[in-house]
Amino acid sequence: DTAVSQTPKYLVTQMGNDKSIKCEQNLGHDTMYWYKQDSKKFLKIMFSYNNKELIINETVPNRFSPKSPDKAHLNLHINSLELGDSAVYFCASSQEGGRGRGELFFGEGSRLTVL
Amino acid sequence: SQKIEQNSEALNIQEGKTATLTCNYTNYSPAYLQWYRQDPGRGPVFLLLIRENEKEKRKERLKVTFDTTLKQSLFHITASQPADSATYLCAPRMTAGNKLTFGGGTRVLVKP
Repeated sequence: DTAVSQTPKYLVTQMGNDKSIKCEQNLGHDTMYWYKQDSKKFLKIMFSYNNKELIINETVPNRFSPKSPDKAHLNLHINSLELGDSAVYFCASSQEGGRGRGELFFGEGSRLTVL
Repeated sequence: SQKIEQNSEALNIQEGKTATLTCNYTNYSPAYLQWYRQDPGRGPVFLLLIRENEKEKRKERLKVTFDTTLKQSLFHITASQPADSATYLCAPRMTAGNKLTFGGGTRVLVKP
């Protein structure tokens, strides 16, 4: 069973479209994240949710809207896609409370290409 | 502003030698520091965590040091193997629950 799974793995779409990426973790972790990795391979945090509550919201255009229906799921919806949104988006989870060490478990990534 | 620097140039190393990677940080006082490995087309994988009160941590052929005075962590791969070829990312962290910010990573290529 995959610990952190995200879908789709590849997404090719036109500028101006709206798209969503879904993420699920079966590790029982209390915190989930979205990271963006651009063409230069820098991995930048976008959002973090702890027990369904938004705790980190980096300077991200409000076209990006995360949603966490429950602790095990964190989805990312992107409106009005732009060329600069092309990147690999990684979902991750960690256990921050209790005996958690805060190590992140990443999904395999969703490669978004905006044409 | 907070900055994390890793050598952006790839490190080419002969099999069997020790690879040493550097992670420098500024305007930071991390409580601990994590190292991750990322293979092409895959998500990063956690390797090691070292706390500010620990000087050194080992896991199999990996060794990490943490010098809070120099604001630096060193990551060593001893007896390197071609399978160790990957990008290695450091991530200092202030406290649990705080955001984990990654360095740009250093690519390691181990030649047989």
